[in-house]
Amino acid sequence: DAKTTQPPSMDCAEGRAANLPCNHSTISGNEYVYWYRQIHSQGPQYIIHGLKNNETNEMASLIITEDRKSSTLILPHATLRDTAVYYCIVRVAGGNEKLTFGTGTRLTIIP
Amino acid sequence: DAGVIQSPRHEVTEMGQEVTLRCKPISGHNSLFWYRQTMMRGLELLIYFNNNVPIDDSGMPEDRFSAKMPNASFSTLKIQPSEPRDSAVYFCASSRRAANTGELFFGEGSRLTVL
Repeated sequence: DAKTTQPPSMDCAEGRAANLPCNHSTISGNEYVYWYRQIHSQGPQYIIHGLKNNETNEMASLIITEDRKSSTLILPHATLRDTAVYYCIVRVAGGNEKLTFGTGTRLTIIP
Repeated sequence: DAGVIQSPRHEVTEMGQEVTLRCKPISGHNSLFWYRQTMMRGLELLIYFNNNVPIDDSGMPEDRFSAKMPNASFSTLKIQPSEPRDSAVYFCASSRRAANTGELFFGEGSRLTVL
C-alpha cells in the first residue's frame, strides 16, 4: 500500500465543516483512497472511498485532486459525535485486500 | 444483520498463560482480518484470511501467536505463552470479497491485559 501523510491533529467548531487533508503522492493507478474513522475504544468504521472522481455519501464528501496526489475528506456539519481519529488509506479495491492503517488525524470537535 | 462478534470483550491474565480470542464474521463474508492496536504501534494487521485460507501472516509478531479459521463462521487468535507486551486491543474484521466498496466491518475488539 502506498504511504499517506496526514496532520496528527485538528480542531473544528461544532456545526462547521471539517476538512481533513491527506497526501498520497505515490498512489498507483489502480489504488483507491479510503477513509475510515475510529471513535474512542470502538472498531474503525468505513466512511467513504474514491478513485479519481469526487464522491459523496450520507456521512461525508471526498475531494480528490486531478493528479490524485492528495485528497480532502469533508464532514459538512460537524457534531461532537464526529470527534475521532480519521485514517486516510490507499489500497487496491476489493474486499479481499488488506487495509494498512497509518497514524491518522485526531479530529476534535469543539462545542 | 449482526455485526462482527468478538469474545471475550475483556481478558486479564497472567504472564505465561494461554489466551484465545474468538471472532464470528458477518454471514456471507469470506475475508477475515485480525488487527492489534496499542498506543505505541497503532493499528497493526496481524493476519488475514480469504475463504478460510491464510493469505498474509507477515504481521504475526512471533511464534507465540497463531490464528486459525476452521470454517467460514469462526476464527481464533491464540497467544501461547502470553507476555505483558501482548497487552492490547485485538480487533477482528470481515468483508465480502466481491464487494465493490472493499469495506471492512470491524468488531468491538477484545481488550487483553497480561500481568
